[in-house]
Amino acid sequence: AQTVTQSQPEMSVQEAETVTLSCTYDTSESDYYLFWYKQPPSRQMILVIRQEAYKQQNATENRFSVNFQKAAKSFSLKISDSQLGDAAMYFCAYRSAWSSGDKLTFGTGTRLAVRP
Amino acid sequence: DVKVTQSSRYLVKRTGEKVFLECVQDMDHENMFWYRQDPGLGLRLIYFSYDVKMKEKGDIPEGYSVSREKKERFSLILESASTNQTSMYLCASSLAAVFAYEQYFGPGTRLTVT
Repeated sequence: AQTVTQSQPEMSVQEAETVTLSCTYDTSESDYYLFWYKQPPSRQMILVIRQEAYKQQNATENRFSVNFQKAAKSFSLKISDSQLGDAAMYFCAYRSAWSSGDKLTFGTGTRLAVRP
Repeated sequence: DVKVTQSSRYLVKRTGEKVFLECVQDMDHENMFWYRQDPGLGLRLIYFSYDVKMKEKGDIPEGYSVSREKKERFSLILESASTNQTSMYLCASSLAAVFAYEQYFGPGTRLTVT
């Protein structure tokens, strides 16, 4: 079974600075997808960014980018120019390319605080 | 915009009660999911459904059952609620496709069993 590990329960960043959230995963598969989801306080979880394992290029979405290291099974999220609205729980998630029903395996989450 | 709604934001039930949590999505998604979220444990999959009347167990199905009679609605049932089922319950849906599509989440139901 796949596992996803987020070793940083809490992180803090100064507004306008850059922060990196870590995620490692364990799998024996070669085809899979990785995701970062954001859960703001008392609000719905939303997708931040997605990476296909077959793509060598790291995904980027505006201020959010990933560092995908397939051999190391590492998938970190970098948030540039942090804003107060970035404060949230962030979850890393894994999906096998062959799973039925699009099942995700989530990490335990990292709570990000943004200091004004 | 995709919308996933859950019947209650907060729910308080007594031990032994039968509890129904309802989830509705409005985007004709094939896949629907029930997770529970606990501090330090992240999200854990309880059950999912990839079609009407079809369901599969997730990682922690014990003590739960589900029902999907219509494509847009997915219900989670606690047959006899226990205090260890106090948790945040999240519903999600996604489009079935060759490429990985995102899951869309509801606002969650915080269930307290006393």
